[in-house]
Amino acid sequence: KAGVTQTPRYLIKTRGQQVTLSCSPISGHRSVSWYQQTPGQGLQFLFEYFSETQRNKGNFPGRFSGRQFSNSRSEMNVSTLELGDSALYLCASSFSGSGETQYFGPGTRLLVL
Amino acid sequence: GENVEQHPSTLSVQEGDSAVIKCTYSDSASNYFPWYKQELGKRPQLIIDIRSNVGEKKDQRIAVTLNKTAKHFSLHITETQPEDSAVYFCAASKGNTGFQKLVFGTGTRLLVSP
Repeated sequence: KAGVTQTPRYLIKTRGQQVTLSCSPISGHRSVSWYQQTPGQGLQFLFEYFSETQRNKGNFPGRFSGRQFSNSRSEMNVSTLELGDSALYLCASSFSGSGETQYFGPGTRLLVL
Repeated sequence: GENVEQHPSTLSVQEGDSAVIKCTYSDSASNYFPWYKQELGKRPQLIIDIRSNVGEKKDQRIAVTLNKTAKHFSLHITETQPEDSAVYFCAASKGNTGFQKLVFGTGTRLLVSP
């Protein structure tokens, strides 16, 4: 099976812009989680989607949002970008969630100038 | 909410030595504990995981132990090799809540010198 894929792999944006990142889970996986990785804060949970519904959300401002499509692909959006949003954004998929193994994608590296 | 502490932040060993990384968690309801290895510029990859109904799990040179009473779990790597050099993350989650959320430790940078 193909692994988790993410597009784009790299992005450069300026403050105030918005960005949309995409994640395609492993075939058959219905749970997609998003994480932000920074040197200072480490790996932090953003949100999780299952069957097009957000099941859980981390402690991030409302500028961070996401959605999931009927084919389980997921997108996350960050509006009004701030310098501190520069990070590696990782998505991970699992079959149904709830304590199952999560497989990570390669990430999208976002740089906000 | 859940908090996971991980020590040490850096660990340097000689090839062939053993390496031990320790994590503690705060939420006694956590019952799933994976360990991920992340090489520079690459995605985190699961190397081993343990559930709360098991005290120890081993896979070749890698083992994980769990002490539910003390709320800590450890990763043991024996006969380390240079290719083991990477950042290792522990994580915890509550697997019976109907949703998926991993809380990660801050990572341990392991350097294995030949």
